[in-house]
Order: sequence, then C-alpha cells, then structure tokens
Amino acid sequence: GESVGLHLPTLSVQEGDNSIINCAYSNSASDYFIWYKQESGKGPQFIIDIRSNMDKRQGQRVTVLLNKTVKHLSLQIAATQPGDSAVYFCAENMGRGGNEKLTFGTGTRLTIIP
Amino acid sequence: DTEVTQTPKHLVMGMTNKKSLKCEQHMGHRAMYWYKQKAKKPPELMFVYSYEKLSINESVPSRFSPECPNSSLLNLHLHALQPEDSALYLCASSQVTGGAIYEQYFGPGTRLTVT
Repeated sequence: GESVGLHLPTLSVQEGDNSIINCAYSNSASDYFIWYKQESGKGPQFIIDIRSNMDKRQGQRVTVLLNKTVKHLSLQIAATQPGDSAVYFCAENMGRGGNEKLTFGTGTRLTIIP
Repeated sequence: DTEVTQTPKHLVMGMTNKKSLKCEQHMGHRAMYWYKQKAKKPPELMFVYSYEKLSINESVPSRFSPECPNSSLLNLHLHALQPEDSALYLCASSQVTGGAIYEQYFGPGTRLTVT
C-alpha cells in the first residue's frame, strides 16, 4: 500500500505486505530528515534518519528515500506486522549545534490488517 | 539509558492555577526541547535549550515559561493558561557536538487539560 502523506492521512495494509508512506517537505535548505512513529498515548519514537547528502538509507525492515529535486521523502516498511500500526511523521531539520528546529509533516496513520 | 522521562503523565488545571511540567534525561544530551501537540496534529516546537541556555523561542506566549536548571532537567512553568492550551506537551533531547546534527529522543509527554 502507498500514501501521499499530506493528501492521504490514512493507509491500510495487509499484514505481511510492504507499505510506503510519502512526505513532501517544504524547505530546500533542510539538511536532515527523520521518520518518527507515534503510537497512541506515547511520544514519537525515532525510526530512521537521512542526511541531505544521501538519497537512500536502510535500517531493519525500513528504508528511507530522499529526492531533493522534488523535495520528497518516503518510508518503506517491509513485511508489515501488527505492531507497525501507528501514526508516522516525517520531520525536516533546519539549524545545528543546539539550534535544531524540527518541523513535522501532518502524519499518516498506518493500520495493519491481520 | 536512552530514556526521556516526563512528569506528570496527566494534569488538569484551572485557568488561574500555576503548575509546572518536568522533563529529565540522563543521556548526557546538552540540547533539550519542548513541543506542543494538539490532537491528530504533528508536534510543534516551542522552545530549544542548548547548554542550559534558551536558544530558540518560537514566539510562545509568556504564560509558558521554560527553565533549564541543569543539563539533565527541563521545566515548563504554566500560569493563566487558556482552554485552547490543552494538549500533549512533549519534551525531547539530543546530542550537541560541533556542527553535527543528531536525532531527538522524545519523552511520553504530559497530557494537559485546562478547565
């Protein structure tokens, strides 16, 4: 399943399938991007990050792709599990050295169907 | 220890009350943050502290007053709040080393209701 983040805030995916969550960021000067997962009643949990000098980064079952030309970020989750159900936020960073400003996208609610 | 703790978990206060939210981390992080998150919305940055000094204030009303008494603690003092200030208040921390950027670790938040 696939979402476009800002325009489709919900995504339902069959357990075991792959999911893709998309995000359009706003500032071409942003140099660091993070995906967070937020479960109900909890704070955001770091999933994976990518710096602006990269276009792809892989973690365990997750891959982040960055397309700076069109200011687009995506999170791919392989072999989704029920525990992946949550709201996923992309965030872009401006500033560094203690002046980091994270701006979050609107979020996408991912529901895994057993 | 990769945990950011926040107290209390829930807080209900009247518009004339004064209360404080507390945040603590023992990861040696020298940057700490306050965010506000309304229901079904993303977190929004309020304040950034770097080396115990306020480095960013995102034009937050003065009824919110942050304080960083030491490198492990961050407080948010609340006074004369409005019902629209009801939200989840999140604390986060991150490393600060030269010009590098590091991920922010979030606490579970304090759910604030202003009556």
